[in-house]
Amino acid sequence: EPEVTQTPSHQVTQMGQEVILRCVPISNHLYFYWYRQILGQKVEFLVSFYNNEISEKSEIFDDQFSVERPDGSNFTLKIRSTKLEDSAMYFCASSESDFNYGYTFGSGTRLTVV
Amino acid sequence: QKEVEQDPGPLSVPEGAIVSLNCTYSNSAFQYFMWYRQYSRKGPELLMYTYSSGNKEDGRFTAQVDKSSKYISLFIRDSQPSDSATYLCAMSGNTGFQKLVFGTGTRLLVSP
Repeated sequence: EPEVTQTPSHQVTQMGQEVILRCVPISNHLYFYWYRQILGQKVEFLVSFYNNEISEKSEIFDDQFSVERPDGSNFTLKIRSTKLEDSAMYFCASSESDFNYGYTFGSGTRLTVV
Repeated sequence: QKEVEQDPGPLSVPEGAIVSLNCTYSNSAFQYFMWYRQYSRKGPELLMYTYSSGNKEDGRFTAQVDKSSKYISLFIRDSQPSDSATYLCAMSGNTGFQKLVFGTGTRLLVSP
């Protein structure tokens, strides 16, 4: 069964450092998303991406965050200057159509900012 | 009022029991309703998907949507220890690739 692949599974970084979280969506999917889940809290939407541009972003997704699809397979989330409160699980997801049949999520990257 | 409310549990049941999981919501624009299962430190896995009101059945799982009451349910028949996980409801609006709004999740424990 096709899956969304995320790397690394766990990343530890120092406060103020830049991190890039990587995702390989399912190959025929066209819509891409990042969500995050702070430990013990709900899964929260960060950003959606289609046709090489951001479709929608949440208030969490401020100027410290950016997304990119650098080639035909990867989808990345960059945090420019990490803060302690950025520590969370970050999930990439993709979907085939815009009719919201339900995304496929990756297993996540656990980001720990120290 | 929170946009999506879900009892966090935990809900403990014996093997073979019928499980009922529920969410309420406040945004009448929601049209798509989903249930995800999440194991510890893993990504959400789509279980059921429903558009608008009605019932949908898939094996041991039944999803119900009552838009008039803004209430959705997931029933699990003949529950198994392997069903032990956190169950997340999620919903979104009527236009393309809208963000999913999740509930907090209900932790389910099925004992042998």
